[in-house]
Amino acid sequence: EPEVTQTPSHQVTQMGQEVILRCVPISNHLYFYWYRQILGQKVEFLVSFYNNEISEKSEIFDDQFSVERPDGSNFTLKIRSTKLEDSAMYFCASSVQFGEQFFGPGTRLTVL
Amino acid sequence: DQQVKQNSPSLSVQEGRISILNCDYTNSMFDYFLWYKKYPAEGPTFLISISSIKDKNEDGRFTVFLNKSAKHLSLHIVPSQPGDSAVYFCAASAAGTASKLTFGTGTRLQVTL
Repeated sequence: EPEVTQTPSHQVTQMGQEVILRCVPISNHLYFYWYRQILGQKVEFLVSFYNNEISEKSEIFDDQFSVERPDGSNFTLKIRSTKLEDSAMYFCASSVQFGEQFFGPGTRLTVL
Repeated sequence: DQQVKQNSPSLSVQEGRISILNCDYTNSMFDYFLWYKKYPAEGPTFLISISSIKDKNEDGRFTVFLNKSAKHLSLHIVPSQPGDSAVYFCAASAAGTASKLTFGTGTRLQVTL
């Protein structure tokens, strides 16, 4: 069964460093998303991406964040200058159209 | 801004019995609702969904009920199995918002033997 994959599973970085989280969505899906979950809190929407552009972004998704689909398979989330409060699980998701979104296993980001 | 609420943080049910997980929402624009199951250190797994034009959707042991007037939905699991033990999240989306999902805080279900 096709699935969303994410790498790395765990990323440790120093505050102020740039990180890139990678995702491979399900191959025939057209919509791509990033969510995050801070420990003990709920899953929060960051950004949606369709047709090579951002469809919607939350207020969390400020200028420090960017997304890219550099080729036909990868979907990346870049955080330019990480802060302590960026520590969270980051989930990539994809969908064929509006409706069910399928999530990857997540990347745990730890900012020291 | 709690547009989707799951007021029970945890629920314990005996194996074979029915599990009922509840979810309330406040945003009238929501028209599509989903339930996800999540194990620790894994991503949410889609379980079942319902559109606002329906009031019930069934898939095997899982049934979701939607009461639009009360802005309430519930997930029924019958019969409950030990493997169902996980955190269950309710999520909602509104047409025209690129399908952004708004999640509840989750209910931890423990199915005991």
